[in-house]
Amino acid sequence: LAKTTQPISMDSYEGQEVNITCSHNNIATNDYITWYQQFPSQGPRFIIQGYKTKVTNEVASLFIPADRKSSTLSLPRVSLSDTAVYYCLVGDRTEDSWGKLQFGAGTQVVVTP
Amino acid sequence: NAGVTQTPKFQVLKTGQSMTLQCAQDMNHEYMSWYRQDPGMGLRLIHYSVGAGITDQGEVPNGYNVSRSTTEDFPLRLLSAAPSQTSVYFCASSRDGRIGVGYEQYFGPGTRLTVT
Repeated sequence: LAKTTQPISMDSYEGQEVNITCSHNNIATNDYITWYQQFPSQGPRFIIQGYKTKVTNEVASLFIPADRKSSTLSLPRVSLSDTAVYYCLVGDRTEDSWGKLQFGAGTQVVVTP
Repeated sequence: NAGVTQTPKFQVLKTGQSMTLQCAQDMNHEYMSWYRQDPGMGLRLIHYSVGAGITDQGEVPNGYNVSRSTTEDFPLRLLSAAPSQTSVYFCASSRDGRIGVGYEQYFGPGTRLTVT
């Protein structure tokens, strides 16, 4: 099974940059890495997705090294509203389960003033 | 577009009762899935479907059945409710769930289920 490992929690102050690293040693050759954000009592929300090198959108950046065994989500200048759980997601490619997408435990990010 | 809708929002069942959680999407997505999330935990995949008429088991399928007769709907049936099934259930859909094809999952608001 493709499995991800993330820190359980991270604390930050407003205005700082937060970097969350996810380990996915068994990622499939053609699989993407996707990050989601979840607020309490809500379903997860897509943040960013990438395959290699660097991807940036209006919310975050995603850095993926050449070996693709890890990835780092970067949240620039966080605010209190960025307090949430962040999940790293990769697929689980086997011959009989090419559609199985599984979440890891996630990282609780707490932003304080 | 309404996106992904789930009904009911809240439900209380007694042990042994059965019920169906409804999920619908209006984005013509091929891939749909059900997750459960226990308090303070991550999401665990129950069942998923890569298209109408095709379903498969996820990480924790025991005690649940699914069917996918149309592209839009993906109901989750609890066969005989148990207290261990007390959880929040999320339905999600994606344009394409194939590994290697870039995808984004859209999640519904969730159904909070309590089994006494």
